Amino acid sequence: GDSVTQMEGPVTLSEEAFLTINCTYTATGYPSLFWYVQYPGEGLQLLLKATKADDKGSNKGFEATYRKETTSFHLEKGSVQVSDSAVYFCALSGGATNKLIFGTGTLLAVQP
Amino acid sequence: GAVVSQHPSWVICKSGTSVKIECRSLDFQATTMFWYRQFPKQSLMLMATSNEGSKATYEQGVEKDKFLINHASLTLSTLTVTSAHPEDSSFYICSARTSGPQETQYFGPGTRLLVL
Repeated sequence: GDSVTQMEGPVTLSEEAFLTINCTYTATGYPSLFWYVQYPGEGLQLLLKATKADDKGSNKGFEATYRKETTSFHLEKGSVQVSDSAVYFCALSGGATNKLIFGTGTLLAVQP
Repeated sequence: GAVVSQHPSWVICKSGTSVKIECRSLDFQATTMFWYRQFPKQSLMLMATSNEGSKATYEQGVEKDKFLINHASLTLSTLTVTSAHPEDSSFYICSARTSGPQETQYFGPGTRLLVL
């Protein structure tokens, strides 16, 4: 079945460091890919998405490119801030089922 | 982005009572809404898919008689935890899906339930 694998955390970085959170997927068909962010005590917020191969989603300095050849959707940001500390979830939809399939989440902690 | 609200944001109840959680899509109509449960430091577990005007579809292992879902309109779905027990204490999150060629799920802020 469809699945999403993302790197385990926690990821601890200093402010202004470069961020990469790896995400790979397995799916039938042509899924859409998403990154959601969850701040402490809150629900999930859509951070960015890409709906087809080679699309790049971007928002708030974060970027991710839909790579069909490597089945990946890695999240990157050039310079993280303390306020980026949160849990990041990679997800897909539109594969074998129409449900949103989540990765396990990666906790990012940015230190000043 | 689209806005989804949940009410209440947190609730404390006694064991054996029932609790209703509302999920509303504020600026779009949602034929389909979803209910998730999240345990501390874990990912979201899909409980059920709520379809407007029809019965909800529950995931394996989720008791439909305990977690009653009603999707009465295109902007409102409710989850009722019946005869709540301490093990039902959790963070419940709903989401609503937009329609069209680029369907996207937007999530509510979550409801924290504590059953004493």
